Amino acid sequence: EVQLVQSGAEVKKPGESLKISCKGSGYSFTSYWIGWVRQMPGKGLEWMGIIYPGDSDTRYSPSFQGQVTISADKSISTAYLQWSSLKASDTAMYYCALQTGPGRVDYWGQGTLVTVSS
Amino acid sequence: QSALTQPASVSGSPGQSITISCTGTSSDVGGYNYVSWYQQHPGKAPKLMIYEVSNRPSGVPDRFSGSKSGNTASLTISGLQAEDEADYYCSSYTSSRLGVFGTGTKVTVL
Repeated sequence: EVQLVQSGAEVKKPGESLKISCKGSGYSFTSYWIGWVRQMPGKGLEWMGIIYPGDSDTRYSPSFQGQVTISADKSISTAYLQWSSLKASDTAMYYCALQTGPGRVDYWGQGTLVTVSS
Repeated sequence: QSALTQPASVSGSPGQSITISCTGTSSDVGGYNYVSWYQQHPGKAPKLMIYEVSNRPSGVPDRFSGSKSGNTASLTISGLQAEDEADYYCSSYTSSRLGVFGTGTKVTVL
């Protein structure tokens, strides 16, 4: 059974750094693109970026380029999303998403709620 | 990459059919047969309902169907049921591999 298990909710202050994780199981971690999707409170879904763990090829949405870093550790089948300096506007739910085909996401993590507040 | 355009809300009575449109450009919806549709209930992760324009994953009721014409894709829900009340998002593959989501449509069952 394919599963994506994300790290727990975080409460941070502006300016702090953060790295959240998504552990995949039940499939070949290095063979599929895995990405991160942001959902701000009451708003829609936005692709942030995507990585192919097999060769670490990483693509970012222009809106998120330079704002976050996506990485993966294939030895532990885990993808990461990190910020070096959080802003209040980063408050959102973040989902990891497994692309099983072009533009097709069959599997989603449970979501990680990130709250940034002073 | 701009979000694909969907109506903000669509409503229907139980048993009726509704259609949600998703308009993009020749660089996304019109350029590839890789349009997906997702259902999201409040507080839950999205769920894939349609992929590659008109294919249903195993377990998705055949009340859900998809189509595409030019730069516009559509999701039709036939025989609307109370549990279909949710937010729906279209998504299209793009050349960056990243994909782009639609603006989202709230479906209300009257």
